[in-house]
Amino acid sequence: DIVLTQSPDSLAVSLGERATINCKSSQSVLHSSKNKNYLAWYQQKPGQPPKLLISWASTRESGVPDRFSGSGSGTYFTLTISSLQAEDVAVYYCQQYYSTSWTFGQGTKVEIK
Amino acid sequence: QVQLVQSGVEVKKPGASVKVSCKASGYTFTSYGVHWVRQAPGQRPEWMGWINIGDGNTQYSQRFQGRVTITRDTSASTAYMALSSLTSEDTAVYYCARDVSHYNWHADYWGQGTLVIVSS
Repeated sequence: DIVLTQSPDSLAVSLGERATINCKSSQSVLHSSKNKNYLAWYQQKPGQPPKLLISWASTRESGVPDRFSGSGSGTYFTLTISSLQAEDVAVYYCQQYYSTSWTFGQGTKVEIK
Repeated sequence: QVQLVQSGVEVKKPGASVKVSCKASGYTFTSYGVHWVRQAPGQRPEWMGWINIGDGNTQYSQRFQGRVTITRDTSASTAYMALSSLTSEDTAVYYCARDVSHYNWHADYWGQGTLVIVSS
């Protein structure tokens, strides 16, 4: 299985400040012939299912605020929240769909400082 | 609007089986795949398997191979996940999620989750 390792495990950021979450893959998730990275980012709040924020490493889903952005390629990816809002407190997961068996990172808990 | 509504809480004894349903509405059921993902308390989500609703083709995680069966009833717009030989380690919230395509890609809509408790 492809192993995804996120860093940090948790971070506390002041309102309005930037939050950056990293995701490292044990192997490349870049499909070379399609030139697409098979990586998504989800947000999960307590008692709720995961919510898709970003797909294909950098494509923001419809309705997701533009303060959320994804970047990276191959084995290293980043989710950035440019200006943290109170409603962004949640756990964030990266997920790969390059292999038929999805795997998720261990999650990063984002809190307000 | 797209909705996935799952069946309710299940409490099972070790060794038993469970079957969770996921009723879809608001879209053409046969044009998309459905994944099943579980999440134990405080843990990351864990993928169990996927079904192409159109042709019934399935893919399962090796971790659950032989214990999990994913099926669908297109006339009822419902997908099912059955898990056998339950142990306490299977206590988790089980989610269905719609793939964005009929391939095995990522999921854009999720059910509300079904809590399965395995306890003697």
